[in-house]
Amino acid sequence: NAGVTQTPKFQVLKTGQSMTLQCAQDMNHEYMSWYRQDPGMGLRLIHYSVGAGITDQGEVPNGYNVSRSTTEDFPLRLLSAAPSQTSVYFCASRAGGLMGSPLHFGNGTRLTVT
Amino acid sequence: GESVGLHLPTLSVQEGDNSIINCAYSNSASDYFIWYKQESGKGPQFIIDIRSNMDKRQGQRVTVLLNKTVKHLSLQIAATQPGDSAVYFCAETLNTGGFKTIFGAGTRLFVKA
Repeated sequence: NAGVTQTPKFQVLKTGQSMTLQCAQDMNHEYMSWYRQDPGMGLRLIHYSVGAGITDQGEVPNGYNVSRSTTEDFPLRLLSAAPSQTSVYFCASRAGGLMGSPLHFGNGTRLTVT
Repeated sequence: GESVGLHLPTLSVQEGDNSIINCAYSNSASDYFIWYKQESGKGPQFIIDIRSNMDKRQGQRVTVLLNKTVKHLSLQIAATQPGDSAVYFCAETLNTGGFKTIFGAGTRLFVKA
């Protein structure tokens, strides 16, 4: 099992550019989520999905879109990047239907917006 | 509101001593709590969890204590080792729709040799 795989590992964007951060998991987890991590702060939830075709907003959803067409993939889209979106982004998954199960994280995508 | 916070942003301990990392949470709707360890350049890794119907759970060298009365969570690491140096996060999973997991700000643990 590869677990949770995020690509790319690093990305630099100019303000206004768009891009998609990829996330894939091979554990057949129903629940997937995206977090951003800024210096001195914890992980903040952007969007999450409880299963294919279902997504919902987290704490900081503005500026980001998601979709969940398959169980395995949960891409995060930035339609018009802003410097405030410079951060490290983590994708995480856990078994669905079980609130009491831990999240499995990828190793992150470090994004810089200039 | 929904928030999870930590009392101490940094903690420095001597190798071999015990470490205690504290966390306060505010949402009484949380039923499940987790401690994660994050090393530089990596994603958080699960350490130990506890459900709201328990007040203590032990793992290998780690113990989590839950006090629901004062909404307090702690992580105890016995015989702290240099490899324990990392940032530690507490997290709570809400038992409301979506079962979101909310993280605290993190505590950096330094282990002095």
